[in-house]
Amino acid sequence: GQNIDQPTEMTATEGAIVQINCTYQTSGFNGLFWYQQHAGEAPTFLSYNVLDGLEEKGRFSSFLSRSKGYSYLLLKELQMKDSASYLCAVRDEGANNLFFGTGTRLTVIP
Amino acid sequence: SAVISQKPSRDICQRGTSLTIQCQVDSQVTMMFWYRQQPGQSLTLIATANQGSEATYESGFVIDKFPISRPNLTFSTLTVSNMSPEDSSIYLCSVFTGEDQPQHFGDGTRLSIL
Repeated sequence: GQNIDQPTEMTATEGAIVQINCTYQTSGFNGLFWYQQHAGEAPTFLSYNVLDGLEEKGRFSSFLSRSKGYSYLLLKELQMKDSASYLCAVRDEGANNLFFGTGTRLTVIP
Repeated sequence: SAVISQKPSRDICQRGTSLTIQCQVDSQVTMMFWYRQQPGQSLTLIATANQGSEATYESGFVIDKFPISRPNLTFSTLTVSNMSPEDSSIYLCSVFTGEDQPQHFGDGTRLSIL
């Protein structure tokens, strides 16, 4: 089975840094994805990790530890527009479909 | 990255009716997927649309309720049959284009059943 856990909600201040954690237990693993989803819109791709370590992409970074079944998404220099849901998803080995966590709703406050 | 067009973007339907959602990709892709996102929830995989063969359904989803077609490598349809208010969700099409590529999503179909 697939079990992917994220905090349900987080609040952070504009200009600050926030870390959103994701832990997973899956029967197969072929990469971990982070998506951003604004209310009423489709998810948009943020980052992808398949090997252990940190992937940096502008204000967003994502970290993966496969041995620990753990990832985090780091958002720096938070902006009000970063208020959204952040979805952690694990790609199944072989089938290549994604299994999603419950998502973390981030609210950025002034 | 592949451009995914999904239609309709939204619809309001009567209980007991069926609706077919279309997903068109601007390039040939090996795998296409259909997801459901119920209000306030995350995404749940309905099925993998297989070209030339029956779709592969996840636990809790059956072909009679969610028939899927995939006549070629760029197009798929999902039908939501005999709809009830519990089917009110966003339905999303997604494609897999390669091992080192992320999955991208269509804009989704927002379905409300009265």
